[in-house]
Amino acid sequence: EVQLVESGGGLVKPGGSLRLSCAASGFTFSDAWMSWVRQAPGKGLEWVGRIKSKIDGTTTDYAAAVKGRFTISRDDSRNTVFLQMNSLQIEDTGVYYCAVLLSRGYWGQGTLVTVSS
Amino acid sequence: QTVVTQEPSLTVSPGGTVTLTCASTTGAVTSGHYSNWFQQKPGQAPTSLIYNTINRHSWTPARFSGSLVGGKAALTLSGVQPEDEGEYYCLLYYGGAQLGVFGGGTKLTVL
Repeated sequence: EVQLVESGGGLVKPGGSLRLSCAASGFTFSDAWMSWVRQAPGKGLEWVGRIKSKIDGTTTDYAAAVKGRFTISRDDSRNTVFLQMNSLQIEDTGVYYCAVLLSRGYWGQGTLVTVSS
Repeated sequence: QTVVTQEPSLTVSPGGTVTLTCASTTGAVTSGHYSNWFQQKPGQAPTSLIYNTINRHSWTPARFSGSLVGGKAALTLSGVQPEDEGEYYCLLYYGGAQLGVFGGGTKLTVL
C-alpha cells in the first residue's frame, strides 16, 4: 500500500522558518519525482515545486511565489522528501501536500502550516 | 504570468454527461503540457484521475476520460454518479515538465 505521510506543520510567525517532511512507502521512492502542492484555506490547489529523482539529476523547480524562499530536498536512504520554508509570509498559510504526480498519482493527507503573528 | 483557466462551476443531472475544460493563457494546450486532472471532496486530499492528457490511473472509473478539445484539455464524465460531486482541478506543465500550474478548479454539482 502506498503511503505518503507529511509532518512538521504548525504555527509560525511571519519571517520565520519551518521544515516539512514527507515519509514515503509502498513504491520505489528513489525513482520518483516528488512534488509539493499547497492549498490556502477555502482556495484552490497551488503547485509549489518538485524534485526529480537522482538518476534524473535531483533537479528542483519552484513556483515563482516561493522561489528563493523554499527549498526541496530528498533523502533516498530514508524514503523522505523535505520542504524547507524560509521567510514565511501570511499568504503561505495552508495545507501542504506531498505528492507523486504524473503517472503515479499518489497524494499524502497534508499538513497544516499557519503563518500568523 | 501563466494562468490556467477552468469553468468555476457546472451542474449535471445524474446519468448525464459533462465536459470540464482547462485553458492556458500561453495558447493552445497540447500533449506537451502533460495535463492532469484531480478530484477533491470537502475536507479530503485530492485524488488523481487522469495523467498525460488521456491516461486513467488504475483506480479511476471508466466513466472519466481525458482529451484535448479545441485547444484545451478536457475531462469528460459520462453517466455521472452522485458521488462525482466535488471540485475538479487540472494541472498543466510548462517548459518540458519544469513548472506546474493548477487551474482554479471547477465545482461540479450533481443535481
